[in-house]
Amino acid sequence: AQKVTQAQTEISVVEKEDVTLDCVYETRDTTYYLFWYKQPPSGELVFLIRRNSFDEQNEISGRYSWNFQKSTSSFNFTITASQVVDSAVYFCALIINQGGKLIFGQGTELSVKP
Amino acid sequence: DTGVSQDPRHKITKRGQNVTFRCDPISEHNRLYWYRQTLGQGPEFLTYFQNEAQLEKSRLLSDRFSAERPKGSFSTLEIQRTEQGDSAMYLCASSFVSGGRRDTQYFGPGTRLTVL
Repeated sequence: AQKVTQAQTEISVVEKEDVTLDCVYETRDTTYYLFWYKQPPSGELVFLIRRNSFDEQNEISGRYSWNFQKSTSSFNFTITASQVVDSAVYFCALIINQGGKLIFGQGTELSVKP
Repeated sequence: DTGVSQDPRHKITKRGQNVTFRCDPISEHNRLYWYRQTLGQGPEFLTYFQNEAQLEKSRLLSDRFSAERPKGSFSTLEIQRTEQGDSAMYLCASSFVSGGRRDTQYFGPGTRLTVL
């Protein structure tokens, strides 16, 4: 069975601080995909990034960066110089290659205060 | 570029009533998914379709829930004899899958159901 764990339920930072959201996953499949989604207060899930299990390159997109490490089954997300607009719930998710459904973690609620 | 749309955005109903939600996927997407999200939790998978075929249903989908995608385009999710425990956000997503190509699931704005 697959599982995604986001141990941090809530994080509160002050604007311009860096923050890392942790994600640990479990699967026995060798081919899988990992995702991060953002859910602002409006409720819509917004896709941020996907990674396949064969691509361990870290990714940077503006203030966002992702660190994928198969050795520790982790896919962590860092926001550099956080802004108030980053306040949202962030979800990590997993899908196995032959599957259809996304398995989500419980989410981390990030609050960035001015 | 039209995203996934859902209707209605909000629904308030009394216990025991039937409700139906609609989802229109991104036009070229062949897969359509339904998830349910309760407060403070991540979305949980309910069911998904590839074209008009329903390929998987979660054990969460009791006999009171039924989903259809008759022409492989839009989908409906019906809940019969609603219960207070059905109160949740119902999310729809779509993606394109073909052979080895597996695209990202894009989500709609959701339908928030409140059962009184």
